[in-house]
Amino acid sequence: KNEVEQSPQNLTAQEGEFITINCSYSVGISALHWLQQHPGGGIVSLFMLSSGKKKHGRLIATINIQEKHSSLHITASHPRDSAVYICAVRLTGNQFYFGTGTSLTVIP
Amino acid sequence: GAVVSQHPSWVICKSGTSVKIECRSLDFQATTMFWYRQFPKQSLMLMATSNEGSKATYEQGVEKDKFLINHASLTLSTLTVTSAHPEDSSFYICSARVMGRAYNEQFFGPGTRLTVL
Repeated sequence: KNEVEQSPQNLTAQEGEFITINCSYSVGISALHWLQQHPGGGIVSLFMLSSGKKKHGRLIATINIQEKHSSLHITASHPRDSAVYICAVRLTGNQFYFGTGTSLTVIP
Repeated sequence: GAVVSQHPSWVICKSGTSVKIECRSLDFQATTMFWYRQFPKQSLMLMATSNEGSKATYEQGVEKDKFLINHASLTLSTLTVTSAHPEDSSFYICSARVMGRAYNEQFFGPGTRLTVL
């Protein structure tokens, strides 16, 4: 049983499309992170959320604590957005649970 | 946001040698640093939790004598893979937890890819 479920697992989109990646979790959390992992493995922390919505450039992240659900949106997608996007939830204290990631490929 | 760096970003070594990976919090003090390992196409797995000035706490199944962790200061933790073998080849990621703010945050380093020949 996974505490964090992401969907879809794989996603291919045409350049310019609006993309949504979903994350559902089954535990009480204090924060949720969205991470971006590039093909070489390097990780970039995109957002940390505990409520509401955050926006950075073409990326938007939302979280609904009551429904235990978060979404990551990418507007006007571009091939350089191709990466694996990982949802990670932090319980109170130090423990993290990670989703298995969503592999996104944006085709020119 | 806060920045966590890792050095080196990648390393190739011969079997039997030891490799040290550094994790630094660049613009904040971290009470706690975490070390994760990621195998291809899998989630990050927590290896150990490192508190400044005390011994690291290892997760079940992680050999503490093989993966030596030193957290000598509030901005630096090191992971040493001793007598590395090809099965230790993996992607190692650290994260650091912010101290002294109204809320706790954890920031991830970019990772270090270790290849053992």
